[in-house]
Amino acid sequence: DIQMTQSPSSLSASVGDRVTITCRASQSISSYLSWYQQKPGKAPKLLIYAASSLQSGVPSRFSGSGSGTDFTLTISSLQPEDSATYHCQQSDRTPLTFGGGTKVEIK
Amino acid sequence: QVQLQESGPGLVKPSQTLSLTCTVSGGSISSGDYYWSWIRQPPGKGLEWIGYIYYSGNTSYKPSLKSRVTISVDTSKNQFSLRLTSVTAADTAVYYCARTGDPNWFDPWGQGTLVTVSS
Repeated sequence: DIQMTQSPSSLSASVGDRVTITCRASQSISSYLSWYQQKPGKAPKLLIYAASSLQSGVPSRFSGSGSGTDFTLTISSLQPEDSATYHCQQSDRTPLTFGGGTKVEIK
Repeated sequence: QVQLQESGPGLVKPSQTLSLTCTVSGGSISSGDYYWSWIRQPPGKGLEWIGYIYYSGNTSYKPSLKSRVTISVDTSKNQFSLRLTSVTAADTAVYYCARTGDPNWFDPWGQGTLVTVSS
């Protein structure tokens, strides 16, 4: 199985800050990576697919980059509604696997 | 737009079989454009893909669960289902169904249903 490692596991930042979350795959997955946002008690929501493609309806302050084994999710200007847990997922091959999640809190 | 809704018992006894159904509305499972997945999340933990099915019945399962899992589809009802046998407390989780696009992203998701394994 491809292991996905996210860092940090949690972070606290202020409104307006630029936030970056990292996801590393245990082997190359080309650009087959997705990012999800999950709020407490809710299902995950797709933000980014194919490493850098923004899902329809997702605010442009969210962006993704990377290829191979190293990927990042960036929130350019953190908003209060961005408080959530963010998950990466490799979509290269089955079994499909997720990172452990990064909890983003607002200071 | 497409919506998914999980249904099934919220409590299952150890060693018994967990059965859930996902009903799809606003779109047809038979369109052939997507796969249909089951994903679970134990309380306070991360997400785990269980497997997916195509409308034709082709499936793929997570190897560590394969001996206990069956995913089936009923195109006449626009539903797909999960069966997990010989459950233990480790199978306690929120179970989600999700549409799976190409390549292998999940959107949308059902709201999720908590299944507790306990006697």
